[in-house]
Amino acid sequence: GAVVSQHPSWVICKSGTSVKIECRSLDFQATTMFWYRQFPKQSLMLMATSNEGSKATYEQGVEKDKFLINHASLTLSTLTVTSAHPEDSSFYICSAGGRSSYEQYFGPGTRLTVT
Amino acid sequence: GENVEQHPSTLSVQEGDSAVIKCTYSDSASNYFPWYKQELGKRPQLIIDIRSNVGEKKDQRIAVTLNKTAKHFSLHITETQPEDSAVYFCAASLSWGKLQFGAGTQVVVTP
Repeated sequence: GAVVSQHPSWVICKSGTSVKIECRSLDFQATTMFWYRQFPKQSLMLMATSNEGSKATYEQGVEKDKFLINHASLTLSTLTVTSAHPEDSSFYICSAGGRSSYEQYFGPGTRLTVT
Repeated sequence: GENVEQHPSTLSVQEGDSAVIKCTYSDSASNYFPWYKQELGKRPQLIIDIRSNVGEKKDQRIAVTLNKTAKHFSLHITETQPEDSAVYFCAASLSWGKLQFGAGTQVVVTP
């Protein structure tokens, strides 16, 4: 089956620093990847849609200059949280579009804690 | 855009009983409706999905029904077991894969 990995699985950083999260599709090519954020006891909220070789499309209310997304290859998308603050602490999950336009495969998530 | 509402927010059932979770959606163009189970700190796990050309789908103890006219769909879990305890999310999507999730239902199955 389709496997999506994320790295790191958890990260603690100081306020004001930047953090990069990687999302990889291990056994298939993903032309589209999605980035979600999930606060404790809440649902998954789509942050942006990332298409290989083009600029990401951000959802309303998501700051594109703060959450930098790069999708340079068909197997890798990265999310960089710039100048992180404690309110950015969350569970970040990526997903990759599969062979069928309906399918999405989720990564294991990255727990970000900003101190 | 699409808006998905999910009820109830919490559901406590006795082991062996059935659990039903209901969702409504707003965009009549949505045509894919997956259900996910998420355990604490883990990724969402697809448990069943249904496309708009089908009214019902069943997989062992899990079934989903879809009413496109009323724009609602439901998850049914029969013969619940303690390992069914988790948070369940419904979602709706247009064909290009952008998922709008419901708020989630915390299911607790008590022995």
